[in-house]
Amino acid sequence: SQQGEEDPQALSIQEGENATMNCSYKTSINNLQWYRQNSGRGLVHLILIRSNEREKHSGRLRVTLDTSKKSSSLLITASRAADTASYFCATDANDYKLSFGAGTTVTVRA
Amino acid sequence: NAGVMQNPRHLVRRRGQEARLRCSPVKGHSHVYWYRQLPEEGLKFMVYLQKENIIDESGMPKERFSAEFPKEGPSILRIQQVVRGDSAAYFCASSEHPAPGEPQHFGDGTRLSIL
Repeated sequence: SQQGEEDPQALSIQEGENATMNCSYKTSINNLQWYRQNSGRGLVHLILIRSNEREKHSGRLRVTLDTSKKSSSLLITASRAADTASYFCATDANDYKLSFGAGTTVTVRA
Repeated sequence: NAGVMQNPRHLVRRRGQEARLRCSPVKGHSHVYWYRQLPEEGLKFMVYLQKENIIDESGMPKERFSAEFPKEGPSILRIQQVVRGDSAAYFCASSEHPAPGEPQHFGDGTRLSIL
């Protein structure tokens, strides 16, 4: 079974707006990563947050992690058309195996 | 530096044929992972290999699927006697180290279609 579950499944926003998506997982983790997948392409690593961290920033991305609720959120600020993609959270329990959710498809309208 | 290279990008096979998917990792990376993605789903781990060794194949179907990562050349994922249910996108990733939290670098995948 998948470890991570993203919510919502799909999100449509206007350019310039913020996009927020959530990820919930079932078992204890060491790290949680967010990846982006453009249509027909592979996954691109965006950001990693460790289990002892609560928040992390990278450019227009902000990730939070709440281990008590087993959930994480990814915020993309000031969205652009180029942010249109599917976003996946991936967890690792204590090894190299990444467990992915089904993803959130984000569409940014010009 | 070239990223992870997968070929072919698209592969069409008839039921019963063999499919061979190739993956060249990032230069200097000796750890390779294969994942499968069904439509509208996330990636599922299949197998982890180091040069000449299969380290973990717990996500691989027991029959018809095999993987290798020879000393020279790309990693190969081989599917024998393909069936319709094998239709999916197969992604290869590589990393410099296998430690938890090490970002994995993904190729653009091979989209396998079974007629």
